[in-house]
Amino acid sequence: AQSVTQLGSHVSVSEGALVLLRCNYSSSVPPYLFWYVQYPNQGLQLLLKYTSAATLVKGINGFEAEFKKSETSFHLTKPSAHMSDAAEYFCAVMVWGNNDMRFGAGTRLTVKP
Amino acid sequence: DTGVSQNPRHKITKRGQNVTFRCDPISEHNRLYWYRQTLGQGPEFLTYFQNEAQLEKSRLLSDRFSAERPKGSFSTLEIQRTEQGDSAMYLCASPPDPLAGGRDTQYFGPGTRLTVL
Repeated sequence: AQSVTQLGSHVSVSEGALVLLRCNYSSSVPPYLFWYVQYPNQGLQLLLKYTSAATLVKGINGFEAEFKKSETSFHLTKPSAHMSDAAEYFCAVMVWGNNDMRFGAGTRLTVKP
Repeated sequence: DTGVSQNPRHKITKRGQNVTFRCDPISEHNRLYWYRQTLGQGPEFLTYFQNEAQLEKSRLLSDRFSAERPKGSFSTLEIQRTEQGDSAMYLCASPPDPLAGGRDTQYFGPGTRLTVL
């Protein structure tokens, strides 16, 4: 079965600094991979997704992620953090033909002024 | 706003009571998913509908849980004899029809936060 592991439950960066949130996946078949953001007391908003097209995926709010098969990774990055980026971020994996999406435990991003 | 709505947004109940949540998905989406998210965790799959048919249920969905989608539009999730361990955020998601090319994206509602006292 597919799964994802998010490394680091809490990441803190200064405003303007690089954001790097780590996600490693496990799947026996080519996966679809996703990053979602969740603000307090809200549902999940899709940031970006990888569906076997380009390995470097650009999403909303300046985020991007690179699919690296050799490293089974799909890390999320943003060159310059903004205060509004403070939220919980979830990596998720889905295999086409399965009916559920498996989420990581989440990484809480804090942005310091 | 993803177009998926859920009601109520918050529910506080006493242990042993029954509760029911509602999800209204994006109208042209045939599939509907329910997830549960506990504090500090990612969402966990509960169940899935294709139109009115409930096609898959997770082992997390005990006998106290029942979900319906009677007309293939909105869905309800009922929890009977609630327990404190049921306290969580219950999320509904609605992906586009795969035949329409949007098979891989889940659009989530804002969730219903349940607190069982």
